[in-house]
Formats: sequence, structure tokens, C-alpha cells
Amino acid sequence: NAGVTQTPKFQVLKTGQSMTLQCAQDMNHNSMYWYRQDPGMGLRLIYYSASEGTTDKGEVPNGYNVSRLNKREFSLRLESAAPSQTSVYFCASIRATQSSYNEQFFGPGTRLTVL
Amino acid sequence: KQEVTQIPAALSVPEGENLVLNCSFTDSAIYNLQWFRQDPGKGLTSLLLIQSSQREQTSGRLNASLDKSSGRSTLYIAASQPGDSATYLCAVSFGANSKLTFGKGITLSVRP
Repeated sequence: NAGVTQTPKFQVLKTGQSMTLQCAQDMNHNSMYWYRQDPGMGLRLIYYSASEGTTDKGEVPNGYNVSRLNKREFSLRLESAAPSQTSVYFCASIRATQSSYNEQFFGPGTRLTVL
Repeated sequence: KQEVTQIPAALSVPEGENLVLNCSFTDSAIYNLQWFRQDPGKGLTSLLLIQSSQREQTSGRLNASLDKSSGRSTLYIAASQPGDSATYLCAVSFGANSKLTFGKGITLSVRP
């Protein structure tokens, strides 16, 4: 199993450009998440998808859109990138059963710089 | 707003020392708590998960405890090694949707 994979690993954009960050998991997990990590701010939830076909906003959703393409894939789109979106983006997934033993697994991250 | 706090932000210890990393949270109605390790420039690796009904979990030299009533968790690392140097993050879930609220992490340096 590859676990949670993210592409690209690095990206540099100019202000106003758009791009999509891709995430896929091969663990048959139901729920998927997008976080951003910034120095001094920690990890903050952008959007999540509790199950295929559903998406919900997290703590910092402005400037982003998401698509849960199927059970495996959850993409994050920046329509018009801004320097404030310079960050490291992590995708995560979880099996999400009724049990509270729901361990969250993370991808390696995408390091995005917006000039 | 639920908050997760980890103090201090950084810690330096000599090799071989037993150490405790602290995590506190404002809402005692947690669903579960997870400890992660993050190496520089890398993703997060799950170390231990404690369900709300549990008091502790152990994995090798690591032991995590949970005290919901006081809003605290500790990660105990026995006989620390230079390879333990990393940032340790505590994250709490407050519901079945499993959204995690993270602390800002403790950067640990173990000196040879």
C-alpha cells in the first residue's frame, strides 16, 4: 500500500494563477481532509469530505475549493492564488467507523510558494 | 473554540534522558487524541492514538496518557536517542467526523 499520496511535491505560482493539488489514498478510507501548515500557526483544516459525494468547510476555507472525485481521490483547487496561500499543504484520510479508534494518516505534503 | 496547547515550543535534552511532552486541551468532551511525529520537511507520522475511554497507550519506548477531567495528555519518551529529534504534535478530535484540532508542536532536540 502506498498510503496517502500527494502531487506535486513542490510548486511555485505567480499571484492570480490557478492550480489543483491532488491527493489519493489506497486504504479504502471513507473520510479525507486538507490541512495547511504555517510557521507559528500549526496545522489548520481547510476542507474535509466525510464520505464520497460530501464536502464541508473547515477552519480556513476561503480561497479554496475541493472535489471528492471518488472514494480514493480528494483534490484542492486554488482558483486565484495569493501570497497568503504560501504554505505546506497536507492531505489526510481516515477509515471513520463508529469506533473512536479512527487513526488519521497523512500524505508527505505539497510545498507551495505564491510570488 | 476548542484549543490545544503544547508548552514549551522547544526542548533540548541529553541522550538517555527520560522526558515528558505535555498537551492540554480546553474541552474535556474529546473523541480521541493522537500524537504525531514530524521530521523537518516531511509529513506527519502517527505515533499513538488514545480513545476517549482509555487512559494510556504504549508503543515501544513511547507511552501516552490521557486525563480528560484535567484536559491533559502526556507523551513519555524513555531513554531518549538523537534519532528522537523531531517535532511532536498533539491533535484532538471532538467528534465522530474526526476533524483534528492541532497543537503547535514541541520541537525536541536530543543531544548526543
